[in-house]
Amino acid sequence: NAGVTQTPKFQVLKTGQSMTLQCAQDMNHEYMSWYRQDPGMGLRLIHYSVGAGITDQGEVPNGYNVSRSTTEDFPLRLLSAAPSQTSVYFCASSSPGTVLYEQYFGPGTRLTVT
Amino acid sequence: DAKTTQPPSMDCAEGRAANLPCNHSTISGNEYVYWYRQIHSQGPQYIIHGLKNNETNEMASLIITEDRKSSTLILPHATLRDTAVYYCIVRPSVSSNTGKLIFGQGTTLQVKP
Repeated sequence: NAGVTQTPKFQVLKTGQSMTLQCAQDMNHEYMSWYRQDPGMGLRLIHYSVGAGITDQGEVPNGYNVSRSTTEDFPLRLLSAAPSQTSVYFCASSSPGTVLYEQYFGPGTRLTVT
Repeated sequence: DAKTTQPPSMDCAEGRAANLPCNHSTISGNEYVYWYRQIHSQGPQYIIHGLKNNETNEMASLIITEDRKSSTLILPHATLRDTAVYYCIVRPSVSSNTGKLIFGQGTTLQVKP
């Protein structure tokens, strides 16, 4: 099992550019989510999905889109990058139900927007 | 959501047990205690969770007081690789579907040789 994988590891964007952060898991987990972590701060939930074809907003969804066409993949799209989106992005997955909060995180994507 | 309180930092000698406390005095009957850690520059890592009984796995033990208002995560033989920020998180047993984990400030554990 590779677990949760994220690509790229590092990315530098110019303001206004768009890009997609990739997240994949091979554990057949139905639940997947995206967090961002700013320096010295906790993680904030951006979007989440409870299964293929189902997505919903977390606490900081503005500027980001997601889709879930397969169980394995949950890409995060930045529509028009802004310096405020400079952060480390983590993807996580788990099974629903009583183990929903036993989540497995990817290694993160470090994004800098200039 | 129950609030948790943890000391900001702790030191532990390598090879000794590390005991990390967490207060969750407002915890309700259907809420579990979860522990995660985040090693520098890595994604958070699930460690263990429990409701009211003590729990043990290959990584750690979790001791929950009888009134469930506090808990202690025990790393029995800390190594330098256990240096990390440890988060105590309280979440309901019945999922609210968001799956949102609320990471507070946590405890920075420094394991020293």
